[in-house]
Amino acid sequence: AQKVTQAQTEISVVEKEDVTLDCVYETRDTTYYLFWYKQPPSGELVFLIRRNSFDEQNEISGRYSWNFQKSTSSFNFTITASQVVDSAVYFCALSEVRYKLSFGAGTTVTVRA
Amino acid sequence: ETGVTQTPRHLVMGMTNKKSLKCEQHLGHNAMYWYKQSAKKPLELMFVYSLEERVENNSVPSRFSPECPNSSHLFLHLHTLQPEDSALYLCASSLRWVVNEKLFFGSGTQLSVL
Repeated sequence: AQKVTQAQTEISVVEKEDVTLDCVYETRDTTYYLFWYKQPPSGELVFLIRRNSFDEQNEISGRYSWNFQKSTSSFNFTITASQVVDSAVYFCALSEVRYKLSFGAGTTVTVRA
Repeated sequence: ETGVTQTPRHLVMGMTNKKSLKCEQHLGHNAMYWYKQSAKKPLELMFVYSLEERVENNSVPSRFSPECPNSSHLFLHLHTLQPEDSALYLCASSLRWVVNEKLFFGSGTQLSVL
């Protein structure tokens, strides 16, 4: 069974639009960590954020913001005022106690000028 | 910051060839990983090494053979591969092999098996 579901395969927006990427996860652990990674065309995944299961505070970093809701097992990611450089594949990941790191299938974001 | 270097970037091999993928990290990390990325599928963890000891082998076929001679280097030896093994192979490292560590990835080796 898929532990991390990213329902959106591809999203295309025009520059300056906001874009929200959905991530739903499944775990029985009470302690776990959630991550977002960005994979630009160059190939290497780049770490964006880590959130532990006990910290439901939303976080903002520049144009990026994350909404963690345990009640719905979701950890969504919003890019505000998107730019062409935001074009990439974005992966949500779940890390459980026995260090089982599970990635979602990724969402390809294309930002058009 | 990347700090994780993979070579070669691209590799084409026949099913009877033997080749090796190389990964090197200069971050002082103690854990290294091999992932397989196929189109439209989640990243699949293949192997994990912690302090040069293999700690995870995710039911990977024996035609893939990892080697970790020291904490900075990781290899993936390939032999008698199948066309379905064509994928992007990503190496990653982390400071430790624990639940909350973030991973640092290389740019990957794009492998095509003919």
